Amino acid sequence: GAGVSQSPSNKVTEKGKDVELRCDPISGHTALYWYRQSLGQGLEFLIYFQGNSAPDKSGLPSDRFSAERTGGSVSTLTIQRTQQEDSAVYLCASSSGGGFGDEQFFGPGTRLTVL
Amino acid sequence: AQSVTQPDIHITVSEGASLELRCNYSYGATPYLFWYVQSPGQGLQLLLKYFSGDTLVQGIKGFEAEFKRSQSSFNLRKPSVHWSDAAEYFCAVGGTGRRALTFGSGTRLQVQP
Repeated sequence: GAGVSQSPSNKVTEKGKDVELRCDPISGHTALYWYRQSLGQGLEFLIYFQGNSAPDKSGLPSDRFSAERTGGSVSTLTIQRTQQEDSAVYLCASSSGGGFGDEQFFGPGTRLTVL
Repeated sequence: AQSVTQPDIHITVSEGASLELRCNYSYGATPYLFWYVQSPGQGLQLLLKYFSGDTLVQGIKGFEAEFKRSQSSFNLRKPSVHWSDAAEYFCAVGGTGRRALTFGSGTRLQVQP
């Protein structure tokens, strides 16, 4: 079946603009995660959705970052007033449940470049 | 807070040679441990995971890892490396109050012919 998909694959924007990144998880997966991978760094957790529960936003670096998940499926990560330090690859993952040991399936990522 | 350290940023091995990638974690209880591989232009793929039981776990593509509680380590090994193993490898820990994984900074593997 289809894996996790993300769009766009690449996004170049100017400093100060808003951007929206989209994630389509694997069908039926109730848990969805956003991570950020900066050059030479590991993955940094941003936000986690599980079913209809309130999301875990503890990883969001500033109030310029927000995310929503509509209908328990597609998720959108929004970055307002982008800064150059926001340049990174944004990865989305989904898992069948929210268990600690559940395998997270990753999408190919969106490479964001802020000029 | 939990943390993961991958001491080697970049490793180069010859094709056919053995491989060991190091991973050390900091966590108060028994963690859930994972190794992921990221090939160029591709997403992360799970190689193997450890929760409990036998401390030597087998994964895909001929990889294995050994959990050593006394050393807080979860090193990844492969007896004979293939050119297609060239990629970036990430160790991750879970099992905290947060469902998301904590990743190390990765080790980039280069394979020489």
